[in-house]
Amino acid sequence: GAGVSQTPSNKVTEKGKYVELRCDPISGHTALYWYRQSLGQGPEFLIYFQGTGAADDSGLPNDRFFAVRPEGSVSTLKIQRTERGDSAVYLCASSLTARASGANVLTFGAGSRLTVL
Amino acid sequence: AQSVAQPEDQVNVAEGNPLTVKCTYSVSGNPYLFWYVQYPNRGLQFLLKYITGDNLVKGSYGFEAEFNKSQTSFHLKKPSALVSDSALYFCAVRDSQAGTALIFGKGTTLSVSS
Repeated sequence: GAGVSQTPSNKVTEKGKYVELRCDPISGHTALYWYRQSLGQGPEFLIYFQGTGAADDSGLPNDRFFAVRPEGSVSTLKIQRTERGDSAVYLCASSLTARASGANVLTFGAGSRLTVL
Repeated sequence: AQSVAQPEDQVNVAEGNPLTVKCTYSVSGNPYLFWYVQYPNRGLQFLLKYITGDNLVKGSYGFEAEFNKSQTSFHLKKPSALVSDSALYFCAVRDSQAGTALIFGKGTTLSVSS
């Protein structure tokens, strides 16, 4: 697609419920990133994928958070037993991969706003 | 470990005046440095990046940034601010050798008054 698409744009759920957030990256982008942005804060790194595999998941806060990218394109961020502290905007970004992959620009989606009541 | 500091929560300037938004960083190796801007209810947009070469980098909308290795800084500048520049600005760094993800600062709100 033309840009990074994230669904849903807004999700309200109750404490303890399970949530899935979807990201559809730019076609041809092999790197995909998840960040979390709380009010008044910068984006906090969660996980990034190179193709189908997680290249770095060191930012996932605990084992309630999990992400997959089974075919190397669309990714799903899964949050189990949601807590009020999980409320934030979850941002997805994608980039090309080249030899100097660290220099590639990340293109961000508009985000999925999660509210846990 | 890599980190980014944006020491100012908010910067206020009058339209037509020059603006500077400060950023300092810490990485083990050589840095890749980025500036992104976020308008209300919109996603992060790329402004400019420093990878190597000339320390003065020019980007979108008339913005530029200067890489200073000795001061580990990458301040964002614009010679003449516009009211439409009012937004939230994020500095970000990535270690060129560590293969780690892009790490963002907490952001600086720029307010340009007419």
